[in-house]
Amino acid sequence: DTGVSQNPRHKITKRGQNVTFRCDPISEHNRLYWYRQTLGQGPEFLTYFQNEAQLEKSRLLSDRFSAERPKGSFSTLEIQRTEQGDSAMYLCASSSTREFAYEQYFGPGTRLTVT
Amino acid sequence: QQPVQSPQAVILREGEDAVINCSSSKALYSVHWYRQKHGEAPVFLMILLKGGEQKGHEKISASFNEKKQQSSLYLTASQLSYSGTYFCGTEGYNQGGKLIFGQGTELSVKP
Repeated sequence: DTGVSQNPRHKITKRGQNVTFRCDPISEHNRLYWYRQTLGQGPEFLTYFQNEAQLEKSRLLSDRFSAERPKGSFSTLEIQRTEQGDSAMYLCASSSTREFAYEQYFGPGTRLTVT
Repeated sequence: QQPVQSPQAVILREGEDAVINCSSSKALYSVHWYRQKHGEAPVFLMILLKGGEQKGHEKISASFNEKKQQSSLYLTASQLSYSGTYFCGTEGYNQGGKLIFGQGTELSVKP
């Protein structure tokens, strides 16, 4: 059973550019979560999907952020017109509602640096 | 809404014990514990559910006091590999599994 994978692992971009990250969850996990983590802080919830449906989006998330999960498999997170404040580690996690306890397993993350 | 962890940091010698606490002001359905090493992703340790169900993957124990909305993680006979930052993630009712994380507890185990 392979774990959660994320690509790319690192991304350096100039302010104003668009970036897209990909997350491949553990196979058969129907829930997928995106979190953002800055240095010295715990992960902060951004959004989550159950199958292909996006069920919640953080109020802290600006309209520049969008996420998709077509066909309920992998997910993409896009940030448009990046700002320096977007620099962070973007983490993806997945879980299964078919298990009694919904343990979330994290991927290695994508570290974004906006210059 | 963010749970409060204590202590913020702790230094141990190998073989010593430690307790990390996580307290929430909201009613909780579950508490998840993770350990994160520098530059790596959080690694799942333990989940505690309302009603006392407990699961884990390592020889680390935890408790969940539903009335006080508090959870504690117990690390006994610490090893060098236990070093890292420990986070609790709390889940409220009908939240779809969304976790709200504490600010973390940095644990250093010295030889």
